[in-house]
Amino acid sequence: GAVVSQHPSRVICKSGTSVKIECRSLDFQATTMFWYRQFPKKSLMLMATSNEGSKATYEQGVEKDKFLINHASLTLSTLTVTSAHPEDSSFYICSARVGGGSNTEAFFGQGTRLTVV
Amino acid sequence: GQQLNQSPQSMFIQEGEDVSMNCTSSSIFNTWLWYKQDPGEGPVLLIALYKAGELTSNGRLTAQFGITRKDSFLNISASIPSDVGIYFCAGQLGAQKLVFGQGTRLTINP
Repeated sequence: GAVVSQHPSRVICKSGTSVKIECRSLDFQATTMFWYRQFPKKSLMLMATSNEGSKATYEQGVEKDKFLINHASLTLSTLTVTSAHPEDSSFYICSARVGGGSNTEAFFGQGTRLTVV
Repeated sequence: GQQLNQSPQSMFIQEGEDVSMNCTSSSIFNTWLWYKQDPGEGPVLLIALYKAGELTSNGRLTAQFGITRKDSFLNISASIPSDVGIYFCAGQLGAQKLVFGQGTRLTINP
């Protein structure tokens, strides 16, 4: 399957600082990437859809000024958690789609464990 | 909005037993995907289903796309310790975003 690489895998930051998470498609181009948040023992919650060359589409209840998304190239999307607070601590996962039309498959990165202290 | 009901939420089985889990939806999907997630990792795609009624195998895993396009099941035969993890179903309609089930946590007693 296609490879999606996410970096860093773990990050600890101080409250009030910003953290950037990168999501790269290594062997394919992804015009669309997705960012999820996962709470312990819960399913994945879609935060936003990242579109190459245009603004991200945020899900209801997700603060766009808090979670900045940039998709500057066909292989890289970044999520920046700004002015992080302890409640932002979570597991963040990105994914990218391969294929077109109705026959598409989504591949996920390894996830980033963010801890805000 | 669309929701997927995945069951069971958790399973405790003996090594060597077969496993079955399923997802149902109130809405139809064009694609059903099954993922496995290990602790601290992202989900890994196991099987993708594109046609109603389709039955697909991947080693000891078998999944089917329900004929009504509103359900899917995943079977694991002869479970082994490395099958432990959380399994998620996900449905997709066209180019829309994925909708995930709540997950099934599989625990295997050796």
